[in-house]
Amino acid sequence: DVKVTQSSRYLVKRTGEKVFLECVQDMDHENMFWYRQDPGLGLRLIYFSYDVKMKEKGDIPEGYSVSREKKERFSLILESASTNQTSMYLCASSLTGGQGAAAFGDGTRLSIL
Amino acid sequence: AQSVTQLDSHVSVSEGTPVLLRCNYSSSYSPSLFWYVQHPNKGLQLLLKYTSAATLVKGINGFEAEFKKSETSFHLTKPSAHMSDAAEYFCVVSEPGSARQLTFGSGTQLTVLP
Repeated sequence: DVKVTQSSRYLVKRTGEKVFLECVQDMDHENMFWYRQDPGLGLRLIYFSYDVKMKEKGDIPEGYSVSREKKERFSLILESASTNQTSMYLCASSLTGGQGAAAFGDGTRLSIL
Repeated sequence: AQSVTQLDSHVSVSEGTPVLLRCNYSSSYSPSLFWYVQHPNKGLQLLLKYTSAATLVKGINGFEAEFKKSETSFHLTKPSAHMSDAAEYFCVVSEPGSARQLTFGSGTQLTVLP
């Protein structure tokens, strides 16, 4: 079965820490995405990548960076965690062309104290 | 530019009765359309997709949706609700050539009453 795997389901970190969220997909998808999901705000795109080492900002990139050194892995980095980054983070991947449905990981619920 | 409007933020049905979750879209091109379901503290699971083939699309767990271009709608239906259907549902549009690909609706929370 195809999978998008996020490294942690729950994570607790402290303000100011550098936080890494990892995502791996086994479907050979070109595109990978990071979203955050907050009550009342829906899913918001943070960053996406359409190829290895390629990245583009989404709607809310401030305070985040990403890394894609290998096709199957897409990392989200919180450079200096703040309490307003407490959220559910969802990783997704898809094929290029728009007709392929995106596959999602189970999410990481991140709490910044 | 593409957009998606889910017309109801909350829908409540009784178990065994039909489900209707409404979605309208706007797209400059021939879009692909999807419905996803999200159970609490889980990721999004694909229910079904429309990609310019048959306008009536059947998905998993008895759900189906009909693409109506004239009405720019893609409503999700199920003949008989089950308790396990209680979840949040997202309508999503994707345009070919759009780098960021997916535009999400705001979600519809489905409650199933016993």
